[in-house]
Amino acid sequence: SQTIHQWPATLVQPVGSPLSLECTVEGTSNPNLYWYRQAAGRGLQLLFYSVGIGQISSEVPQNLSASRPQDRQFILSSKKLLLSDSGFYLCAWSGLAGLTDTQYFGPGTRLTVL
Amino acid sequence: DQQVKQNSPSLSVQEGRISILNCDYTNSMFDYFLWYKKYPAEGPTFLISISSIKDKNEDGRFTVFLNKSAKHLSLHIVPSQPGDSAVYFCAASDKAAGNKLTFGGGTRVLVKP
Repeated sequence: SQTIHQWPATLVQPVGSPLSLECTVEGTSNPNLYWYRQAAGRGLQLLFYSVGIGQISSEVPQNLSASRPQDRQFILSSKKLLLSDSGFYLCAWSGLAGLTDTQYFGPGTRLTVL
Repeated sequence: DQQVKQNSPSLSVQEGRISILNCDYTNSMFDYFLWYKKYPAEGPTFLISISSIKDKNEDGRFTVFLNKSAKHLSLHIVPSQPGDSAVYFCAASDKAAGNKLTFGGGTRVLVKP
């Protein structure tokens, strides 16, 4: 069966510091991968998605970037964090487009920028 | 521009009764709809989905109804249980635009024992 991991689970960072959040998927090949952010009391906003290694699409302009160095690894980064980057970050995966649109989420990372 | 809206931010229901969660969308190109359940500090878990070629899908205590002409879907949970207390998100996708989900803002459900 497929599993998705995210780390760290929680993170407190000062403004201006760098960020690296990691997501890995097991039990599937060539998944579509996604990064979402949930701000306090809000819905889920899609930040990035990837359909393959090195292929990244950005949904909203922001202070963050994403990379996919391996098939089942998705990384969310920032060079300098802003206060507004605080939130709950979720990674998700789905099967090949056309087979299923269901996305499955990881446990999330709570990021607090102070 | 919110393409998917959940107009009720919260819902309180007695254990054993029916919970009805509503969701409206504006993009007529959406062809696949999903409901997720989310506990605090956890990732959303997939509950049930429906394709635009159907108007109803049932899975145990969960039933999703789709009214394409009204661009409205609903999730019925019956009977409601205390463990159902969580935030529920509806989501929609347009296959032609890629496998991306657009989420509503969520409805917090509280099931009282």
